[in-house]
Amino acid sequence: DSGVTQTPKHLITATGQRVTLRCSPRSGDLSVYWYQQSLDQGLQFLIQYYNGEERAKGNILERFSAQQFPDLHSELNLSSLELGDSALYFCASSAPWGNEQFFGPGTRLTVL
Amino acid sequence: KNEVEQSPQNLTAQEGEFITINCSYSVGISALHWLQQHPGGGIVSLFMLSSGKKKHGRLIATINIQEKHSSLHITASHPRDSAVYICAPLVNTDKLIFGTGTRLQVFP
Repeated sequence: DSGVTQTPKHLITATGQRVTLRCSPRSGDLSVYWYQQSLDQGLQFLIQYYNGEERAKGNILERFSAQQFPDLHSELNLSSLELGDSALYFCASSAPWGNEQFFGPGTRLTVL
Repeated sequence: KNEVEQSPQNLTAQEGEFITINCSYSVGISALHWLQQHPGGGIVSLFMLSSGKKKHGRLIATINIQEKHSSLHITASHPRDSAVYICAPLVNTDKLIFGTGTRLQVFP
C-alpha cells in the first residue's frame, strides 16, 4: 500500500458525460501527478500540482482539468467524454524533499 | 523514435532463472524509476535511482547516466514476479516519461 488513495475504483459512464476522479496523496506529500494509461497510448503524464499550484502540464486535453485543494487532495475533471477516454487514470504523489513518486491504485474509466 | 526504449517487450522464463530487462532513453534525466504493474492494474515503484546500483531483495537496478541506459535484474525468478515492468525516466525533476513495458511471465 503506497499511502495514495484514489476514488472511485471503477467508473462507467456514457459519451458526452462529465466525471470527477479524486486522489488523496500520502501524508506530508505536496506534489500530486495525474497519469493516463490507455491501450493504444500507454502511460502518459497529464498534469502536476504542487501545494495547490499547477507545476507542469503534459498531454492533457482541453476537455480535462484538474485542481489541488488546500487539504492537498486533487481532483481530475473529465468532460464531454469520448470513447477514447476509456483508460486507467493514476495519480501519484511525492514528498517536498524528493522526486520519488508513489502511485495510487488507479481509477478505471469506461466510456460507453 | 520513442524517447524511451525497453527490451525485450515480452519475456518468458522458468522459475529460478536470472532475468534482465533493459531500458535506453534519449533525453537528459535527473533520475529513473522502475515500476511494476500486476494484471490487476496497480503500479508499484520498485526503484528510483540516479546513479550506480540499488538492490532490494532479489531485484537489482543499475543505471549509467552517461550512456543513457538502465537495467533491471531479477535473480532467482519466481512466478509471483510475473508482471509488466516499466522504465520511467524523470525529466526536469518532476515529469515521468514511460517505456512501453516488458511483460514477464515466469513459469514454475
